[in-house]
Parts: sequence; C-alpha cells; structure tokens
Amino acid sequence: QQQVKQSPQSLIVQKGGISIINCAYENTAFDYFPWYQQFPGKGPALLIAIRPDVSEKKEGRFTISFNKSAKQFSLHIMDSQPGDSATYFCAARRMDSSYKLIFGSGTRLLVRP
Amino acid sequence: GAGVSQSPSNKVTEKGKDVELRCDPISGHTALYWYRQSLGQGLEFLIYFQGNSAPDKSGLPSDRFSAERTGGSVSTLTIQRTQQEDSAVYLCASSLAPVQETQYFGPGTRLLVL
Repeated sequence: QQQVKQSPQSLIVQKGGISIINCAYENTAFDYFPWYQQFPGKGPALLIAIRPDVSEKKEGRFTISFNKSAKQFSLHIMDSQPGDSATYFCAARRMDSSYKLIFGSGTRLLVRP
Repeated sequence: GAGVSQSPSNKVTEKGKDVELRCDPISGHTALYWYRQSLGQGLEFLIYFQGNSAPDKSGLPSDRFSAERTGGSVSTLTIQRTQQEDSAVYLCASSLAPVQETQYFGPGTRLLVL
C-alpha cells in the first residue's frame, strides 16, 4: 500500500523555469512533510519541510504548498538551475508510531542549460 | 561535527552469505533509523531505534534481517543468508530525538548480492 504518491516520475525543465513536483497522501496521522534532495551516490538531504498547520513555506527558490483538505502538497523550484538536477523525494512522518518517514517514489529532475 | 557515516560504502557478496552493515550516527542523536532504497525506488523504512531499544521493527522484510544498537550509538544491520532481492542501498538516518523532525541521512551502503 503506497501511502504517499508522488508525481511525475521524471521531469525535464529548462534553466530558469519552474519545476513542480506533487505528492498526495491518505493517512491523517502524518504531522510533518519534508522534501529530500538526493544526488547520485549520496544519501538524501533535507531540502525544506512543512507542518500541516501552514499552507505555504518558502526558502529561497524552494516553496512547499500544502493543501490539508485535499491531502496534497507540492514542491516548487523557481528559477531552476542545472545544479538542481537530482532526485527529489517527498515524505510524510507518522506521529503515531516511531516518527518514521514514509517516502514517495521519487522524481528525477533534469534542468537543461 | 561529522555527519552520519556508514560502512562499507559498497559490498558485493554471494547469495547465501551473511553481511553486516554499520552505521555511526551523529554524536548525541538518540534516534536512529534504517531505510532501504531499491534501484529507482523510494525509501522503505526498516527499523527504528530509540537509544539501544528498537520499538519499531515493522519494516524488516523477513527474519533474515536483524539489527542492534550498542552504547546508544553505533548500529549494525545484519542480513543472513542473503538473496538477490536484498540488493539495494541501505541508508541510515539519525535525529536528535524521535520527536525532532529532521532526520539526517548517511551516504548509504550499496549491497549487491550475486
């Protein structure tokens, strides 16, 4: 059972464009929604995160939009750069057991120069 | 300070052999997690430690998988009688405390079972 669904699987964006990655969840027991960035051969690194009592969070070029009623959240990368080319994972944390992260399947982003 | 470290970085083994994967969390972090990332897939939770105890082992795929943590620090994930489907990247993460939101990941151990 896939608790966090992520789309698209892959994304190609021109330099300077906006990259948008979407995630949806079913379980209302989630209390924290991070996005991780992973480069080849490296472990995931926290990029930005949001709690469900906030509808939007912005850090530099990265913005999370959160829609609690729709159980959806998205990552927007403004002014995308070739250095942003990586795999992005959304996740949700279970607050009712062990605080483990449930990950989406990942989006491979390629930003063309 | 140092981040989460894992060893070995790569491991090639033959089907049926046992392997041990090591994780050194960030100093002072009481919560430790193991995840598995299969090729092209998302991360799958395996086990969670709070201190030396493992209150959540629900993600371990079979009884061939076990893990322990000693001294509230280093953790070892052991896979017995490895199978080809065990081939994956095994990632360790730690956080200051379970309720503390940020989990910091190590670089992973890439396991290939021939």
